[in-house]
Amino acid sequence: AQSVAQPEDQVNVAEGNPLTVKCTYSVSGNPYLFWYVQYPNRGLQFLLKYITGDNLVKGSYGFEAEFNKSQTSFHLKKPSALVSDSALYFCATARGGGADGLTFGKGTHLIIQP
Amino acid sequence: EAQVTQNPRYLITVTGKKLTVTCSQNMNHEYMSWYRQDPGLGLRQIYYSMNVEVTDKGDVPEGYKVSRKEKRNFPLILESPSPNQTSLYFCASSALGTDNEQFFGPGTRLTVL
Repeated sequence: AQSVAQPEDQVNVAEGNPLTVKCTYSVSGNPYLFWYVQYPNRGLQFLLKYITGDNLVKGSYGFEAEFNKSQTSFHLKKPSALVSDSALYFCATARGGGADGLTFGKGTHLIIQP
Repeated sequence: EAQVTQNPRYLITVTGKKLTVTCSQNMNHEYMSWYRQDPGLGLRQIYYSMNVEVTDKGDVPEGYKVSRKEKRNFPLILESPSPNQTSLYFCASSALGTDNEQFFGPGTRLTVL
């Protein structure tokens, strides 16, 4: 079964510093990987995805993610964190097997401190 | 505006009282899905539908029903809710294809007493 893991429940970063939110995957076949963000009392919003091609994927709000096949990772990054980036971040992979939809990680709380 | 809407946003009910959470999308998407979100567990898929009259179970379907009579609507039905169904529920839709992003509704917070 396809799965993703987010090893950190919470990540704390000072405003202006670079941030990384970690994700590793276990997928048979070609991985389709996604990052979503959830702000308080809101639904999930799509940030970016990796399907194929360039290992560095750029997304919304200045976020990017690096696909690393040898380490089976898909870490989310941003060069300079903003307080407004504080939210819950989910890594996800396509379920596969002919069924659309996503399998999510448990989520990582990102807290940006002023 | 392209969107997924859910109603109600908040619901408190009692054990055994049937309820329906509605979901509607205006993007002509074939695929729709329901997830529940619980602390420490992320989002787990309950049911999904790849077209009208086509539905299938996700990872946690027990205690839930769905129907897809129209392309735009995908209601979630709890015929006899129990306290362990207290959760935050999200509806999502997308075009068919495993590489397509999903659009999520704002969520429904359900409490079953």
